[in-house]
Amino acid sequence: GQGVEQPDNLMSVEGTFARVNCTYSTSGFNGLSWYQQREGHAPVFLSYVVLDGLKDSGHFSTFLSRSNGYSYLLLTELQIKDSASYLCAVRWPNYNVLYFGSGTKLTVEP
Amino acid sequence: GPKVLQIPSHQIIDMGQMVTLNCDPVSNHLYFYWYKQILGQQMEFLVNFYNGKVMEKSKLFKDQFSVERPDGSYFTLKIQPTALEDSAVYFCASSLDDNYAEQFFGPGTRLTVL
Repeated sequence: GQGVEQPDNLMSVEGTFARVNCTYSTSGFNGLSWYQQREGHAPVFLSYVVLDGLKDSGHFSTFLSRSNGYSYLLLTELQIKDSASYLCAVRWPNYNVLYFGSGTKLTVEP
Repeated sequence: GPKVLQIPSHQIIDMGQMVTLNCDPVSNHLYFYWYKQILGQQMEFLVNFYNGKVMEKSKLFKDQFSVERPDGSYFTLKIQPTALEDSAVYFCASSLDDNYAEQFFGPGTRLTVL
């Protein structure tokens, strides 16, 4: 919904990094959240960005470019347990409604 | 961390029956949400609720849907009558207020309508 797009799948190797991309329609943008979701479990909040630039949170970092309608989630020093779906959700200024992308399934291989 | 609980985890019902999905939000949170996720598809916003009222709803929130939170108990989503296309996982979420970025999600209720 609301033009939030993510690639379906991403594969990477343990110990390296993975970048999960998200693009969205810029009209009325009021922030973007990243969630991790494992099969059959609740989405878990990772990060929220509303200003341009890179936000480093250790294992997870997030980047935002508002003018380009683009964000990415960067996972470094990947572990097998990082295999999960990563959801990008854009917030529009109407009562904190989140519009989700379809999620990117990350597979981390040994 | 704070947890949102949902009851039941699975529900199977016949088309046309009524179903009530229950959510126990984080105790000090004031805003509550329902999202719907059909298998293999993105999570979609249904409705949010504050101070006893629906604040915003999407086109997926059909007339057969209703929400309430009587006397601070469970936040519920009722579907009456159900239809085949209502089969999905329904996620409840809560947040402290509408300016707070983080919504806490429950584990979802898988609803199957036969």
